Amino acid sequence: AQSVAQPEDQVNVAEGNPLTVKCTYSVSGNPYLFWYVQYPNRGLQFLLKYITGDNLVKGSYGFEAEFNKSQTSFHLKKPSALVSDSALYFCAVRDKKTGGYQKVTFGTGTKLQVIP
Amino acid sequence: ETGVTQSPTHLIKTRGQQVTLRCSSQSGHNTVSWYQQALGQGPQFIFQYYREEENGRGNFPPRFSGLQFPNYSSELNVNALELDDSALYLCASSERPGQAVEKLFFGSGTQLSVL
Repeated sequence: AQSVAQPEDQVNVAEGNPLTVKCTYSVSGNPYLFWYVQYPNRGLQFLLKYITGDNLVKGSYGFEAEFNKSQTSFHLKKPSALVSDSALYFCAVRDKKTGGYQKVTFGTGTKLQVIP
Repeated sequence: ETGVTQSPTHLIKTRGQQVTLRCSSQSGHNTVSWYQQALGQGPQFIFQYYREEENGRGNFPPRFSGLQFPNYSSELNVNALELDDSALYLCASSERPGQAVEKLFFGSGTQLSVL
C-alpha cells in the first residue's frame, strides 16, 4: 500500500520569507513523488515530480522539492514566498511497482497562507 | 489552464438517485482518471480508463462505474447515491498509463451535493 502524510494543515509565512511545506510518504517499492497546487474552485495543477536521479527537483513558479530517501520525505520549498502562492498544496505518491495503471495517492493537503 | 473540461460544474441530487458526470480530455491524451475529493480531504482515486477500458480501480463500490468513448472523453456514473457521496469529483487526463510517469492534467471538477 502507498500513503502520504502532510503533517501541517496550514502553514503561514511572511511575504519574501522562505517557505517549506512538509510531506512524508510510504511505499513498498521505489516512489514517484509529486506536488500539486489547488486554487479555490479550481482543479489541481502540477508543480513538480521526482522520478529518479538528482534529489533536488525544480518545478513551476520557482518551487523546488527535496527527495530524502532515508527520511522518506519530499518537502516543498521556495526561497521567497509571494502572496499569490497562497493556495492548497497536495503531495502525492505513486509506487513504481503499480505498473499498468497510474494510481496516485494524495495527502490531505496543506493550506499555505502568505502574509503581506 | 488545462484542456480538461468537466460538466456540470455543480449538481444537486437526492439520496437514491443516479448521476452522470462528464469529462473531456486534453487533446492527445488517451487516459482518464477520476478522483473524489471530499471536503477537507485529498483526492481519492476512483478508477482509470485507457483506450475505452477500465485498467485500474481504487477502493470504491461497484455503484461507481465509468465509460470512456473513442474520442477519449469519459463519464462517471454513480448509482443509488448516498449522503457521503457529496464531494468534488475531479477528472484528470494524461498521455498514457503504465510504466511512464505522467503528470495529471485536472479539470475544475463537478461539485456534487446529495441531500
